[in-house]
Amino acid sequence: KQEVTQIPAALSVPEGENLVLNCSFTDSAIYNLQWFRQDPGKGLTSLLLIQSSQREQTSGRLNASLDKSSGRSTLYIAASQPGDSATYLCALTGGSQGNLIFGKGTKLSVKP
Amino acid sequence: DVKVTQSSRYLVKRTGEKVFLECVQDMDHENMFWYRQDPGLGLRLIYFSYDVKMKEKGDIPEGYSVSREKKERFSLILESASTNQTSMYLCASRTQGGGFYEQYFGPGTRLTVT
Repeated sequence: KQEVTQIPAALSVPEGENLVLNCSFTDSAIYNLQWFRQDPGKGLTSLLLIQSSQREQTSGRLNASLDKSSGRSTLYIAASQPGDSATYLCALTGGSQGNLIFGKGTKLSVKP
Repeated sequence: DVKVTQSSRYLVKRTGEKVFLECVQDMDHENMFWYRQDPGLGLRLIYFSYDVKMKEKGDIPEGYSVSREKKERFSLILESASTNQTSMYLCASRTQGGGFYEQYFGPGTRLTVT
């Protein structure tokens, strides 16, 4: 059964720092991998989608990479800002029905 | 922009009540999903629907049912609400094509059962 793990569970950094969030998974048979952002009490905002044939995707200060062979993805945030404070969720689409399987998230706090 | 809306942001119900959570999407997506999110457990799939009148059980369907009479609307039904169904409920939609396309999420409904 596919399992998705995100480490660390929480991270606190000073403003301006570059940071990396990690996501690992146990089964490389995936369609794609999505990174989401969730603000407290709110829904999920899709940040980046990487198809299984791709190695990375970029959007602004965000860069996500995918290495299926090692079962890992990283989300790189450049020049972090207090507004980046949120929980970041990694989810991959796999299995016969193509459903999303989520990690438990990394709660990021960026201090001014 | 894709828009997924949920009928209520916050809902308080009593034990034993029948509860309806509504989700509407405006992008003509075939696939729709219901998840619940709990601290320490993450997001878990309750039910999903490939198309109108079609439904499939997810990982935790017990105590829930769903209805999809129209393409744009997917309803989650708690037949007899219990306190262990207090949770954040998230709806999502996706275009046909299986796992290659991203899911779009609604704002969530925070349900409290007392």
